[in-house]
Amino acid sequence: AQRVTQPEKLLSVFKGAPVELKCNYSYSGSPELFWYVQYSRQRLQLLLRHISRESIKGFTADLNKGETSFHLKKPFAQEEDSAMYYCALSGYSGNTPLVFGKGTRLSVIA
Amino acid sequence: DTGVSQDPRHKITKRGQNVTFRCDPISEHNRLYWYRQTLGQGPEFLTYFQNEAQLEKSRLLSDRFSAERPKGSFSTLEIQRTEQGDSAMYLCASSFRQVRDTEAFFGQGTRLTVV
Repeated sequence: AQRVTQPEKLLSVFKGAPVELKCNYSYSGSPELFWYVQYSRQRLQLLLRHISRESIKGFTADLNKGETSFHLKKPFAQEEDSAMYYCALSGYSGNTPLVFGKGTRLSVIA
Repeated sequence: DTGVSQDPRHKITKRGQNVTFRCDPISEHNRLYWYRQTLGQGPEFLTYFQNEAQLEKSRLLSDRFSAERPKGSFSTLEIQRTEQGDSAMYLCASSFRQVRDTEAFFGQGTRLTVV
């Protein structure tokens, strides 16, 4: 069964502190992993996907197949990073609908 | 705004009534998805289309739910005989699939409240 687990509902950090949002997945095969973000009163939008291997807004995420994890990291949190973050997976080449985790609310304290 | 649009943004209905939501995807996108999101949960997949063909339906989609995408453009999601448990945010997303999917772009959602 496909499953995405985000163990933290809420993560509070101080501005300038490092951030790590955890994501573990269960999937038989080669999944594609994504992080989506929802800022207050805005629509859900893609932050990054593992195949792009990009750094977006200072965030990075590395797919660890051995640990079945795709944790989201940023070395120095900014207040504008406060949002709801969802980890999601789909099948190889995105050929199946996204399966989302329950999300983690990141609160960056000034 | 050339993104995914959903209508209405909010709907309050009495239990037992039928409701219909509309989603207009990004014009060149051939895939369209419906998701449902309740408080404290991530979006849960309901169904999706490639062009006008409905390719998959989740077990969440009871017989009271039906979705169409008649000409491969906009889509409608109808809920018949609404129940209080149907209260949720209904999200639509679209993407373009050729060899692989582009990212999925989401609409702002329709919030349904069943009273």
